[in-house]
Amino acid sequence: EVQLVQSGAEVKKPGESLKISCKGSGYSFTTYWIGWVRQMPGKGLEWMGIIYPGDSDIRYSPSFQGQVTMSADKSITTAYLQWSSLKASDTAMYYCARHGGYYEIDYWGQGTLVTVSS
Amino acid sequence: DIQMSQSPSSLSASVGDRVTITCRASQRIDSYLNWYQQKSGKAPKFLIFAASNLQNGVPSRFSGSGSGTDFTLTITSLQPEDFATYYCQQSYSFPYTFGQGTKVEIK
Repeated sequence: EVQLVQSGAEVKKPGESLKISCKGSGYSFTTYWIGWVRQMPGKGLEWMGIIYPGDSDIRYSPSFQGQVTMSADKSITTAYLQWSSLKASDTAMYYCARHGGYYEIDYWGQGTLVTVSS
Repeated sequence: DIQMSQSPSSLSASVGDRVTITCRASQRIDSYLNWYQQKSGKAPKFLIFAASNLQNGVPSRFSGSGSGTDFTLTITSLQPEDFATYYCQQSYSFPYTFGQGTKVEIK
């Protein structure tokens, strides 16, 4: 059974750094793109970018390029999303998302709520 | 970026109704169009890929059609568990943009 299990909710202050994780299991982690989707409170879904754990190829959405860093550790089948300096506007739910053969999102993590507040 | 536009943004319908949601791409995306369902407080659920292919386990009352720039999601005989927000997404070119969502509410 394919599973994506994300790290728990975070409460941070503006300017702090953060790294959230997504552990994949039940499939070949290195042969599927895995990405991140943001959902701000009461808003729609925003595709942030994807990484191919097999060779760490990364494609960022221009809207998120330079704002976040994606990475993956294939030895522990875990993908990461990190910020070096959080802003209040980063407050959102973040979902990790496996992309299938047609680049559809065929599996979703349960979400990690990130709250940034002074 | 390819812009995805859904209509309507929301609709009210009754159990048993036929519901159609439209998704339009700002440029041709062949059949690289996917649909998701999201219930309040939950992660999205994958419904349809490549415009018309149902994910395993998705009820047959859901169907998708279209190619190029215009696509539809149809729910025949709406069930109580179908009240949710539906999103289309193109996976033709980076970034893989979503539509703004269509909220299906109970009339």
